[in-house]
Amino acid sequence: ETGVTQTPRHLVMGMTNKKSLKCEQHLGHNAMYWYKQSAKKPLELMFVYSLEERVENNSVPSRFSPECPNSSHLFLHLHTLQPEDSALYLCASSQDTFQETQYFGPGTRLLVL
Amino acid sequence: GENVEQHPSTLSVQEGDSAVIKCTYSDSASNYFPWYKQELGKRPQLIIDIRSNVGEKKDQRIAVTLNKTAKHFSLHITETQPEDSAVYFCAASILTGGGNKLTFGTGTQLKVEL
Repeated sequence: ETGVTQTPRHLVMGMTNKKSLKCEQHLGHNAMYWYKQSAKKPLELMFVYSLEERVENNSVPSRFSPECPNSSHLFLHLHTLQPEDSALYLCASSQDTFQETQYFGPGTRLLVL
Repeated sequence: GENVEQHPSTLSVQEGDSAVIKCTYSDSASNYFPWYKQELGKRPQLIIDIRSNVGEKKDQRIAVTLNKTAKHFSLHITETQPEDSAVYFCAASILTGGGNKLTFGTGTQLKVEL
């Protein structure tokens, strides 16, 4: 599938590192999302972008910094993360924020040492 | 805010049997309820959804029922097959000023045994 792609698929970083996660959607959608998926927990919505404008920030620590340069690309910049930030980070997109169906990317498995 | 509870957390069935996963939600304004299947190492994929004006929806071996009064909805899989083994997530969507917001359940690990 090539609808929503994410890179890298796996990432190991130290607490002092700076890294970025990339998401790209080829569906012509106008809304993009970042979710955090931890074991035994529901998917947690982190950020929502609509037409490159951030419309929701779900009380996410500032060590996570999103960027949406255009409606097809979404980044999540990471710096000074904590071990508890280790998780699967999923990107999703939808036609717009009023269309409920979201299409997910394969995720980036992040391990913070 | 919306709270979605999902049960059971793990479910093991024999091939050919039926599997039922249940979810409850807290906000009566929720109006859309999708179910996602996530196979090991893969992305969540929408398998079926239902809107609040419908009580039941079926797609081949998969069906979803919604009880708005009780605020619960269920996923039913009949004639289970090994390829049905995965984690299933329910979600409830509520319309806010910024659009629809999905709240997910904690997931059910379904294992279909031969």
